[in-house]
Amino acid sequence: GNSVTQMEGPVTLSEEAFLTINCTYTATGYPSLFWYVQYPGEGLQLLLKATKADDKGSNKGFEATYRKETTSFHLEKGSVQVSDSAVYFCALSVTGNQFYFGTGTSLTVIP
Amino acid sequence: DAGITQSPRYKITETGRQVTLMCHQTWSHSYMFWYRQDLGHGLRLIYYSAAADITDKGEVPDGYVVSRSKTENFPLTLESATRSQTSVYFCASVEGVGNSPLHFGNGTRLTVT
Repeated sequence: GNSVTQMEGPVTLSEEAFLTINCTYTATGYPSLFWYVQYPGEGLQLLLKATKADDKGSNKGFEATYRKETTSFHLEKGSVQVSDSAVYFCALSVTGNQFYFGTGTSLTVIP
Repeated sequence: DAGITQSPRYKITETGRQVTLMCHQTWSHSYMFWYRQDLGHGLRLIYYSAAADITDKGEVPDGYVVSRSKTENFPLTLESATRSQTSVYFCASVEGVGNSPLHFGNGTRLTVT
């Protein structure tokens, strides 16, 4: 079947620290992979995506590389800011109309 | 404004009452979804719709009813609200072909007393 596993939170980092949030997946076909971010009181927003193996998605300093050999799509940022405090969700879609989400990782960045 | 709009943003209702959450999208996306978000459970799919007049159950459909008479609207009704339905509800939409991302509304926070 299709599923996403992402690292448990919460994660607390100091400003300017390096961030990694792990995400691994299981898929029956060739999935597209997504990272969503949810700021307090808001809906989920697309942060970045990758649609085939070795693609790198990037946005707002965040990056993630689609690794087929390790079935992973880890989210990274070199220097986090207080404004990055949010919940991050990894997701996949194989068919384009069914989506599978991880349970979310809460990130708090302290000044 | 283009996008996906949910209303109301906040709702408090009593146990046993019927309540309807509204969702409207302006993209003419074929697929629409309702999720609920609860601490410790992440996002759980309640119902989805592939097109007008086509709906199907998700992971947690019990106690909910949906309809989709027009492509752009996908209301969710709690026929007799229970305290366990206290949650944040998100509507989402996608065209459903290719590798487009899912688009979410800002959610409705529902409290059942």
